[in-house]
Amino acid sequence: ETGVTQTPRHLVMGMTNKKSLKCEQHLGHNAMYWYKQSAKKPLELMFVYNFKEQTENNSVPSRFSPECPNSSHLFLHLHTLQPEDSALYLCASSQPGLGGVGELFFGEGSRLTVL
Amino acid sequence: DQQVKQNSPSLSVQEGRISILNCDYTNSMFDYFLWYKKYPAEGPTFLISISSIKDKNEDGRFTVFLNKSAKHLSLHIVPSQPGDSAVYFCAADTGNQFYFGTGTSLTVIP
Repeated sequence: ETGVTQTPRHLVMGMTNKKSLKCEQHLGHNAMYWYKQSAKKPLELMFVYNFKEQTENNSVPSRFSPECPNSSHLFLHLHTLQPEDSALYLCASSQPGLGGVGELFFGEGSRLTVL
Repeated sequence: DQQVKQNSPSLSVQEGRISILNCDYTNSMFDYFLWYKKYPAEGPTFLISISSIKDKNEDGRFTVFLNKSAKHLSLHIVPSQPGDSAVYFCAADTGNQFYFGTGTSLTVIP
């Protein structure tokens, strides 16, 4: 059982579709994250959840809607996306401590293509 | 504005030689630095880290050097092996958030 699991691994959707990405972590961590990786760009932090509460929204458009029902699960709901939203979406978890965020453990990513 | 920069998008090294991957940062508030390694079709995995109070951290074939005055971080891999071929991301932590570089693709030639 891998630490952080993401489904689906690949998703192709039209601009009018509604879909969701799912992330599950089996590490007992209290923080979960969504990152976006586009070609030739740094990993971009999208959302942070600590103890199920959203603590960071990095100016992400409202067509991306996160949901964190518990500390082990994180969703990213997608609606009316644009072709430029095509990217690799990475989920990560960590156990924050006094020293900071803690080491990030990443899932394998969901490759999203918007047509 | 990019706070963590990896100016070399790619690097090729002969097997057995040293690989040196570089990273520059602009924010003096970063207190923890990490290197992540990413194979195709996989998520990044943690490789090695260093606290801002240190200037060197070694783990087997991997050594990370930190030069705070130059705001420069480097990862040395010696000896390099073909299995080290991957994309390497530098990351910096403010305590609240990670900032990542764009990555350097390392190819180790057998």
